[in-house]
Amino acid sequence: QVQLRESGPRLVKPSETLSLTCSVFGGSISSYYWSWIRQPPGKGLEWIGYIHYSGSTNYNAPLKSRLTISVDNSSNKFSLRLSSVTAADTAVYYCARHGDRSRWSSYVDQWGQGIPVTVSS
Amino acid sequence: DIQMTQSPSTLSASVGDRVTITCRASQSISNWLAWYQQRPGKAPKLLIYEASSLQSGVPSRFSGNGSGTEFTLTISSLQPDDFATYYCQQYTTYPWTFGQGTKVEVE
Repeated sequence: QVQLRESGPRLVKPSETLSLTCSVFGGSISSYYWSWIRQPPGKGLEWIGYIHYSGSTNYNAPLKSRLTISVDNSSNKFSLRLSSVTAADTAVYYCARHGDRSRWSSYVDQWGQGIPVTVSS
Repeated sequence: DIQMTQSPSTLSASVGDRVTITCRASQSISNWLAWYQQRPGKAPKLLIYEASSLQSGVPSRFSGNGSGTEFTLTISSLQPDDFATYYCQQYTTYPWTFGQGTKVEVE
């Protein structure tokens, strides 16, 4: 059973860059699409963007200018960098695996436990 | 972006009740719809994909139905573990969008 685990700072100052890594255990990062999804306190889910093991990406338009998602196949990890953060970026950040390898867009069949990130000075 | 609207936002029910949650899409998404359950402080868990396919390991009291723009999630006999928040998600195209959630609470 594949497991995903997010890691990174839980407190980020306004205007700085939020950096998170998702480590994949019990399975290969190859052949799958991987996404980042976030959930502000008390609110719903927002898709941030995806990366394919090949390196291709797709980002949610409102975040595109500040966002970079990358993959390290040799380490079985992928990462998120979100620059110029504000309080509106405070959320629980989840990494996730797309369940259907055959489709460009799919449901999520595996989620990380989530990491809470607060943007505050 | 495709808007996903769930109803109701909150549902009060008792153990043993049959419960139905509705999700409507702002345009046709064929059957590219998933349902997730989220307990407080936990990650969402996949219940249903392709509108009606039950994810492996999910109890058969959960079922999904619909296509196009209108979808339902039904719990045939509510169990104590089922008090949680449920989200629908469209994945016909990017950006993925989710419903606002339906909280199933104890009546």
